Amino acid sequence: DQQVKQNSPSLSVQEGRISILNCDYTNSMFDYFLWYKKYPAEGPTFLISISSIKDKNEDGRFTVFLNKSAKHLSLHIVPSQPGDSAVYFCAAVYGGSQGNLIFGKGTKLSVKP
Amino acid sequence: NAGVMQNPRHLVRRRGQEARLRCSPMKGHSHVYWYRQLPEEGLKFMVYLQKENIIDESGMPKERFSAEFPKEGPSILRIQQVVRGDSAAYFCASSSPGQGARDYGYTFGSGTRLTVV
Repeated sequence: DQQVKQNSPSLSVQEGRISILNCDYTNSMFDYFLWYKKYPAEGPTFLISISSIKDKNEDGRFTVFLNKSAKHLSLHIVPSQPGDSAVYFCAAVYGGSQGNLIFGKGTKLSVKP
Repeated sequence: NAGVMQNPRHLVRRRGQEARLRCSPMKGHSHVYWYRQLPEEGLKFMVYLQKENIIDESGMPKERFSAEFPKEGPSILRIQQVVRGDSAAYFCASSSPGQGARDYGYTFGSGTRLTVV
């Protein structure tokens, strides 16, 4: 039973355009959501997070939007750069938990020059 | 300031052998998390440890897997009598007290890729 779902295994975008990565979740007890970026043979790197009480958080080229009623979040990267090519994981944390992360399966982003 | 160090990077074991994976957290971090990533899957939580204490092992398989984080030295994830299904990438993450995933995310190591032949 997958509680965090990333339904697009891959996404291809032209350099300079917007990349939109999507994530759906099923458990309304999640109180925080995070995005990680992962290159091959490396560990995940934290990108940006958002609390469930907010609907938007922005950090440079990265913006995360949260729609609680739809149980959906998205990561926007503008403008996309070839160095953004990686696998992006959506993760969630239960309210009151020790902070264990529940990960989606990831979306592989390819940014073409 | 070295990040989270995991070794070995690659480990090959025959079925039935033991695998020991090591994780040295970032300096000043006393909380360690272990995650496993099977092929084509996301990372799955295994265990959360503080120095000399297992806080949450709800993601650990009931048999053959154990973890420790001694007062001195790295955290160890131990897999006894490995089987082919244990082949995966094992990642360790660390944080300091009060610095939760909610605010900063965790710092992950580069992982150990275990192959069971």
